Amino acid sequence: EAGVAQSPRYKIIEKRQSVAFWCNPISGHATLYWYQQILGQGPKLLIQFQNNGVVDDSQLPKDRFSAERLKGVDSTLKIQPAKLEDSAVYLCASSPGLAGATYEQYFGPGTRLTVT
Amino acid sequence: KNQVEQSPQSLIILEGKNCTLQCNYTVSPFSNLRWYKQDTGRGPVSLTIMTFSENTKSNGRYTATLDADTKQSSLHITASQLSDSASYICVVSAPDSGGSNYKLTFGKGTLLTVNP
Repeated sequence: EAGVAQSPRYKIIEKRQSVAFWCNPISGHATLYWYQQILGQGPKLLIQFQNNGVVDDSQLPKDRFSAERLKGVDSTLKIQPAKLEDSAVYLCASSPGLAGATYEQYFGPGTRLTVT
Repeated sequence: KNQVEQSPQSLIILEGKNCTLQCNYTVSPFSNLRWYKQDTGRGPVSLTIMTFSENTKSNGRYTATLDADTKQSSLHITASQLSDSASYICVVSAPDSGGSNYKLTFGKGTLLTVNP
């Protein structure tokens, strides 16, 4: 089966610009996650969708970050305006159900964002 | 505060040698514990998932152990190969306060380098 797809793989922008990332989860997976991973750290959850509803966005900086999951399939994550501290790898993951409940969680390759 | 601490932070071993990575957690209540392997520039890949009742689980040359009483886990790699060079991340799952979702707490990872 095809894995989780993400694009772009790399992005370089200047601070105060906007950027969008796209994720296509594994077909049929109900749960979709966006993580931010700073170099040398573990992934930090930004937002979790169950189908097309938000389950957890408690750590999403809502003044600059937004995310949507249209029709319960693909998802986009947007940053506007970007700050230097947003430089990180943004990982998308999907799971057949709630990953915490022993379902496997499958990660995409990530998008490496550099803000200059 | 739920925390997952991993040690060592980094480790260098020679090809063919064994090694053990440690994970201590304070997450409570506890649902399951996972070990992920993350190659450079890639998303994490699941190695093992252990529930409260399991104290050991193997996946090829990888063997994870869990002591839920002391809240410790280890990942043992046997007969290491160059391809084992990666970051190994310990993740602990706990049900949220509402009982309808799960929180995944990620460790910072142990960076393993296997040299020829």
